[in-house]
Amino acid sequence: AQSVTQLGSHVSVSEGALVLLRCNYSSSVPPYLFWYVQYPNQGLQLLLKYTTGATLVKGINGFEAEFKKSETSFHLTKPSAHMSDAAEYFCAVSADTGRRALTFGSGTRLQVQP
Amino acid sequence: GAVVSQHPSRVICKSGTSVKIECRSLDFQATTMFWYRQFPKQSLMLMATSNEGSKATYEQGVEKDKFLINHASLTLSTLTVTSAHPEDSSFYICSARVSGAGGYWDTQYFGPGTRLTVL
Repeated sequence: AQSVTQLGSHVSVSEGALVLLRCNYSSSVPPYLFWYVQYPNQGLQLLLKYTTGATLVKGINGFEAEFKKSETSFHLTKPSAHMSDAAEYFCAVSADTGRRALTFGSGTRLQVQP
Repeated sequence: GAVVSQHPSRVICKSGTSVKIECRSLDFQATTMFWYRQFPKQSLMLMATSNEGSKATYEQGVEKDKFLINHASLTLSTLTVTSAHPEDSSFYICSARVSGAGGYWDTQYFGPGTRLTVL
């Protein structure tokens, strides 16, 4: 079984401030972890992923995430927020080694204040 | 990068009619496609897994006779909502799985979604 918990359904930051979106997972096998971003009325765009290897993963648009097995976490960060970062962010885990189906967290809406 | 398209992007239909949604992988072959639905301000819920040339695997609680899935080729999967009712109104999103060289790591690429409104 696998699950994802995203702490904070809404996060608001000022433009230029640090962005931190939290994600904790539960998995009985080594997980693959993903962050996706969704803009209104659109599908999901992959930001970054962790499968194996280096635990600090860099993605698009300046985002990065660190896989911490001891904390079962995969928090998403960006040093300096831009207005264009305002969107819904979903953390997802894939631990079903057969289908590799994704289980999504409930999402975090990021607001960026000018 | 891997591109997935969906058609139509929006559809409005009368209650009792059937609606077909297409999901295509444009520049890669997808052995597996997934169908999700998303209600307003909620996360994505997996409905079914579609494998080319075989029957779809439905998640618990999803009616397979109502949501018909056909994966006719490695680049096309269709979802047909039969006898649609207002409660079927939702945002339907498909994804296609890219398999890695060793088949062990893979990533899902998502289509832009289809907004279904049943009157």
